[in-house]
Amino acid sequence: EVQLVESGGGLVQPGGSLRLSCAASGFTFSSDGMHWVRQAPGKGLEWVSFISGNSDTIHYADSVKGRFIISRDNAKNSLSLQMNTLRAEDAALYYCTRGPNYAGRFDDWGQGTLVTVSS
Amino acid sequence: EVVLTQSPATLSLSPGERATLSCRASQSVDIYLSWYQQKPGQAPRLLIYDASNRATGIPARFSGSGSGTDFTLTISSLEPEDFAVYYCQQRRNWPPLTFGGGTKVEIK
Repeated sequence: EVQLVESGGGLVQPGGSLRLSCAASGFTFSSDGMHWVRQAPGKGLEWVSFISGNSDTIHYADSVKGRFIISRDNAKNSLSLQMNTLRAEDAALYYCTRGPNYAGRFDDWGQGTLVTVSS
Repeated sequence: EVVLTQSPATLSLSPGERATLSCRASQSVDIYLSWYQQKPGQAPRLLIYDASNRATGIPARFSGSGSGTDFTLTISSLEPEDFAVYYCQQRRNWPPLTFGGGTKVEIK
């Protein structure tokens, strides 16, 4: 059974930083593409970032480019999102998702970790 | 960026009725369109990928159709657990991957 468990969310001041993590199990982690998708309270879904299985391809949404950094450790089956210079509009539930490498699809989702940006 | 427009925003139906949800793309996405279901307090779940393929474990009452710019998700006979929000998502031209705004299927 695929399991994706996010952690690291919390309250941060505008301009601050936060690092999200996702622990993966139940599949061959190094073979799959991983994404972060976020959802602001009461709003729709927004794709944030993608990293390929061997980390050779990385993409970001324009809204986070230059501020967020995605990475993965295939030895530890873990995915991370380093979020810097946080803004109020970054407040959301952040989901870790997986799908076929480079496919741009979200086959499985974690339960999410909540990021609140407020002074 | 491909913009996906879902309609209607809200669909009020009774259990047993047929639900027809629409997703229109601002440019062709071929067949590279997926549908997700999200229930309150839960993560989204993949229902349909590449326009018409049911994901693992998805009941046969869910079907998808379309290509190019116009797509449809049909639920043949609504079960109580089907009342939820549904999102479409394209992967033809990315980054960015984009989602529609969602259709809420509510109990009439």
